[in-house]
Amino acid sequence: GAVVSQHPSRVICKSGTSVKIECRSLDFQATTMFWYRQFPKQSLMLMATSNEGSKATYEQGVEKDKFLINHASLTLSTLTVTSAHPEDSSFYICSATEGQGTDTQYFGPGTRLTVL
Amino acid sequence: ILNVEQSPQSLHVQEGDSTNFTCSFPSSNFYALHWYRWETAKSPEALFVMTLNGDEKKKGRISATLNTKEGYSYLYIKGSQPEDSATYLCAWRAQKLVFGQGTRLTINP
Repeated sequence: GAVVSQHPSRVICKSGTSVKIECRSLDFQATTMFWYRQFPKQSLMLMATSNEGSKATYEQGVEKDKFLINHASLTLSTLTVTSAHPEDSSFYICSATEGQGTDTQYFGPGTRLTVL
Repeated sequence: ILNVEQSPQSLHVQEGDSTNFTCSFPSSNFYALHWYRWETAKSPEALFVMTLNGDEKKKGRISATLNTKEGYSYLYIKGSQPEDSATYLCAWRAQKLVFGQGTRLTINP
């Protein structure tokens, strides 16, 4: 149980384009979903927290207009990187919890984004 | 600055040997300490959630201890097997999860 999928696993795009990443909880309802980013040789850094049906809460330094998060259902959250630039190239990974954000987080396998 | 430090960064262990590594975290405002195992190209897998000082948890050959007063947790693997090769992440929970950089474990057959 507690499986989270993420799509795509890898994406390469041109600078200036937008990229959408999907995160789905397959066998449970995810009240809260999280988006993390990992740069090379660094730890996972929380970008934002989203609860179904409400606006995401962004961490300090994360531009909400650049990283659009939608959590329209209890099983799906999307992260859209708008007008991507090479500095946005990173590993993006989502997680989900069944409770109110204090339970174990179940992670997707991540998405490697490369912006040319 | 909220720092979670893991050591060592990488570790090579002979199959059959036991090993352990450390996670250090702030001792104030502690809610929980999480351990994850992350194999390449897979999702991080939750191993333990530890909340009480002195907690010891066990899952098969893997166990963990927690000292919240001094701010550290140890993860132990007994009788290492090749399938134990992975990056082991710890995450300190205050209002959010703060991750360490991980310990990359390689088991040599």
